[in-house]
Order: sequence, then C-alpha cells, then structure tokens
Amino acid sequence: QVQLVQSGAEVKKPGASVKVSCKASGYTFTAYYMHWVRQAPGQGLEWMGWINPNTGVTNFAQKFQGRVTMTRDTSISTAYMELSRLRYDDTAVYYCAKDGAVVLLLSFDMWGQGTMVTVSS
Amino acid sequence: SYELTQPPSVSVSPGQTARITCSGDALSKQYAYWYQQKPGQAPVLVIYKDSERPSGIPERFSGSSSGTAVTLTISGVQAEDEADYYCQSADRIGAYRYVVFGGGTKLTVL
Repeated sequence: QVQLVQSGAEVKKPGASVKVSCKASGYTFTAYYMHWVRQAPGQGLEWMGWINPNTGVTNFAQKFQGRVTMTRDTSISTAYMELSRLRYDDTAVYYCAKDGAVVLLLSFDMWGQGTMVTVSS
Repeated sequence: SYELTQPPSVSVSPGQTARITCSGDALSKQYAYWYQQKPGQAPVLVIYKDSERPSGIPERFSGSSSGTAVTLTISGVQAEDEADYYCQSADRIGAYRYVVFGGGTKLTVL
C-alpha cells in the first residue's frame, strides 16, 4: 500500500536550518509530484510547494521562496524539504503529501505522518 | 488569512446531517477537495474533484459544488466523524499555480 514515512522530530535554534525527509513506498515515486504542507500548533494547513521527483523541478509558495529547498533521491524514493533561517513562527508540523494524479492536480491523496519542528532558543 | 472561507465550527447530533460550506473565487474555476483531520493525525482525503469519494471513505460523505461555493455533507453523522475538516483548491497568477486552503471547520458530534 502507498505509504509516506517521515523523519523524526527536530528542535532547532532561530537562524538555523532543518531538513525533513519523506520516504515513499507502494507506488512509482517518480510518477507523482510531492508536496510539503505545514501546520502551526492549533492552526490550519499551509502549502509550501512541490517537487517533481522525476525531473527535480520545484515550485514554491511565494511566502517561502528564498528560504525553502526541495530535493529528492530517486534511488531510495525519498523527498527532502529544507527550510533555512528558521524563525520562532516556523514551529509547526511539516507534512509531505503525494499529489493525486500523474498530471499535477494540486491535491493530496496520501500524507506522511508529519514531522514536528520546534524553533526554540 | 485563508483564500477559502469556512465556518469555524459546526455541531450536530449523532444520526443527523452535517453540512460544511466553503466559499472562494477559486472554486468557480478549480475543483475542490476535502480533508478530515483528527487530533494528532495527518489529514485524510475524503472528497476529491468536488464530489468524488476515494475508496475506503464511507458513503455518508458526499460533496457538491455551485458557483463559488462547495459543500461537504455527512449524512447520518457518527461519533467517529468528529474532526477538523479542511477544503482545498487551487488558484493561479498567470502561469503560476498554487494551492489554497480554507481555515478549517471543527465538527462536533453532540
């Protein structure tokens, strides 16, 4: 079955960077775009961007451009999201989410379990 | 702020019908999607392309669309349906397409 397994919780200081991984299984990793979505404590969902695992092409929400990097390693079916220059308000659960179709649908039919990133001094 | 507007909360008794609305200009041009999120869990897709139901989602979940608004309907609500529900769509600025979410609706089963 389709599964996305993310790396564990992180605690970072302001100004540092964090890199979260998302290992996919149960489907052809390179056939579907991978998105990253975050959720601050008690808040709603916020889309960060996507990566095409086949080509490595990325597209980011304007809010995160210049601070986020998305990469992938097709040999191990894993996507990565790195957020730099962390601020206190980056504290959130970060989810990877598989796009719903081979042609970019901008919807999410499977989500990882989430990775809690805490920014604290 | 969110580009799609949802009521913060909806309350229903077990067995009744819950309707959660979502409105926004993007909905007149793009499909809507609905996600259910229970505390401490990742979201789960319950409706896609306005009214389609993924496999494994109970038939009591349905979706509809009209103009700039969409509705998630849960018929015969059960206690296990208590959760946050988010609508989602897409919008564009020129060739740049991006995802938009509603702020979420907390469904309480009384």
